[in-house]
Amino acid sequence: QSVLNQPPSASGTPGQRVIISCSGSNSNIGREAVNWYQHLPGTAPKLLIYNNDQRPSGVPDRFSGSKSATSASLAISGLRSEDEADYFCAQWSDSLNGYVFGTGTRVTVL
Amino acid sequence: QVQLQESGPGLVKSSETLSLTCTVSGGSISSSYWSWIRQPPGKGLEWIGFVSSSGFSNHNASLKSRVTMSVDTSKNQVSLKMKSVTAADTAVYFCARDEGAGYFDLWGQGTLVTVSS
Repeated sequence: QSVLNQPPSASGTPGQRVIISCSGSNSNIGREAVNWYQHLPGTAPKLLIYNNDQRPSGVPDRFSGSKSATSASLAISGLRSEDEADYFCAQWSDSLNGYVFGTGTRVTVL
Repeated sequence: QVQLQESGPGLVKSSETLSLTCTVSGGSISSSYWSWIRQPPGKGLEWIGFVSSSGFSNHNASLKSRVTMSVDTSKNQVSLKMKSVTAADTAVYFCARDEGAGYFDLWGQGTLVTVSS
């Protein structure tokens, strides 16, 4: 059972801004960096955001990340049809001595 | 361009051992941590464990001692063995790379393993 909770779904029309939350606590979100991944079923998941708010080379600046003491967020601006995918937050957990993933959010472009 | 490709039997009988291989192409297996991650049908991702290029490994405590991971630097491959599988182990299995920064910068596309009774 994941300790990082995400809404199961989110949606928007093309051009809109969608925000996905990743909720935890001071002992997980608050202590370790949060990373975000995009996954289109049947393909390799892709790193979108690392260390809370950093974008790897090649990831459009439409994707942005932020973090507070107990939650993290992924924002997708200028929503496009190709953004329709599953999104997961994740982090290394010192207390669990392993990686933990969020419950995942399916984004639908209406 | 480094790529990861998982391979192995798509069907394993209950109580037997699941064996998967992740082949790293276009780059070296050295100086990285190689994780196995799985996704049961309709569910979220679960980290199984990692093995370093030097052979050090760590696994999800929930899987207890069923998991063994290893590296073969001569073949640029990472292996996963999971014994005593049950239907609950049916999932898409991914391998992924962490270069020591705490995130997975590279993933394979995954391979579906079904455990049959």
